[in-house]
Amino acid sequence: DSGVTQTPKHLITATGQRVTLRCSPRSGDLSVYWYQQSLDQGLQFLIQYYNGEERAKGNILERFSAQQFPDLHSELNLSSLELGDSALYFCASSLGTSVTDEQFFGPGTRLTVL
Amino acid sequence: EDQVTQSPEALRLQEGESSSLNCSYTVSGLRGLFWYRQDPGKGPEFLFTLYSAGEEKEKERLKATLTKKESFLHITAPKPEDSATYLCAVQADSSASKIIFGSGTRLSIRP
Repeated sequence: DSGVTQTPKHLITATGQRVTLRCSPRSGDLSVYWYQQSLDQGLQFLIQYYNGEERAKGNILERFSAQQFPDLHSELNLSSLELGDSALYFCASSLGTSVTDEQFFGPGTRLTVL
Repeated sequence: EDQVTQSPEALRLQEGESSSLNCSYTVSGLRGLFWYRQDPGKGPEFLFTLYSAGEEKEKERLKATLTKKESFLHITAPKPEDSATYLCAVQADSSASKIIFGSGTRLSIRP
């Protein structure tokens, strides 16, 4: 158990809908990262937040947004969902700001868009 | 374009049969190369970070090495519990703040 929690575990929704994925980092970690893992694209870095501020941005679509709250939990919002958004979404956390810091991954949220 | 390529895609070994997994990369200004282990349906588990050519790190039956073009993950006398997908990732100046992952090697160890 990494200490990172993600909810929900599974999410099934329809095209065009909007969903919110939630992540709580390990106790003491200030950085939160979001990743998408699909069969055809592999694991892709989406975005990093550090202590409430956006720190780094990867291949995140404009339809997706994220934020980190004062209690350090983070939410990833996915809107206007398409079939291709079906994937595993992982959250990870680390102590510091650098993306080279050791990251601890949560169990993931499996999103299915029908 | 920054690229991370892992080989082989899949590897089946007998218990105790040592082997190596390869991760080759083409980036400008490597900041760090990472190895992760991922079990089916679970999040990746951090193994190692390597920062510069010549660096080596070990953990139990695993040893990671780094050159200017590639990294190897050596597995010595593997056990069935080492079966997993091993992911390599890099972070470089040329990719700004992005972390780029390879597609992974699926390792299966037969008892």
